[in-house]
Amino acid sequence: EAGVAQSPRYKIIEKRQSVAFWCNPISGHATLYWYQQILGQGPKLLIQFQNNGVVDDSQLPKDRFSAERLKGVDSTLKIQPAKLEDSAVYLCASSLDAGYYGYTFGSGTRLTVV
Amino acid sequence: AQSVTQLGSHVSVSEGALVLLRCNYSSSVPPYLFWYVQYPNQGLQLLLKYTSAATLVKGINGFEAEFKKSETSFHLTKPSAHMSDAAEYFCAVRGGGGADGLTFGKGTHLIIQP
Repeated sequence: EAGVAQSPRYKIIEKRQSVAFWCNPISGHATLYWYQQILGQGPKLLIQFQNNGVVDDSQLPKDRFSAERLKGVDSTLKIQPAKLEDSAVYLCASSLDAGYYGYTFGSGTRLTVV
Repeated sequence: AQSVTQLGSHVSVSEGALVLLRCNYSSSVPPYLFWYVQYPNQGLQLLLKYTSAATLVKGINGFEAEFKKSETSFHLTKPSAHMSDAAEYFCAVRGGGGADGLTFGKGTHLIIQP
């Protein structure tokens, strides 16, 4: 089966600019997650979708971050305006069964804010 | 709330030697535990998972982990290290950071000495 697809792979922007990341989960996976991985740290969950509804976004900085999952398939994560501390790898993951038997991760988007 | 502690940010072993990466967890419910490996500039690859079945879990690439409830541990081992095992390893518990997303440890960088 095809994996979790993410694009772009790399992005460099200036602070205060906006940026968007795209994720296409494994077909049939109802649950989708976005994680932020800062260099030298473990990934941190930002937001979780079940189909096209938000299950949890308690760790999403809502003043600048937004995410949507239209039609319960693809998802987009946006940052506006970006700050230097947003430099990180943004990982998308999906799960068939809310994680009981595992999660599949994409390769991530590496964002550098200068 | 769920949390994970990985002891040792860097572990160095000789090729052919035993690999032991330590993980302790805290969970308010019976935990689902995972080990992931991350190679440079890549996403997370699942090594193995514990989902309340057998306490000794075998994974890919010769890795295994043992769930010890009394010690709240889920240490990762491999009898004989190979140069290709050099990577970042993350222990994670389901839940805590969201409804059923993963809460990760800070990671352990495994170095293999020739």
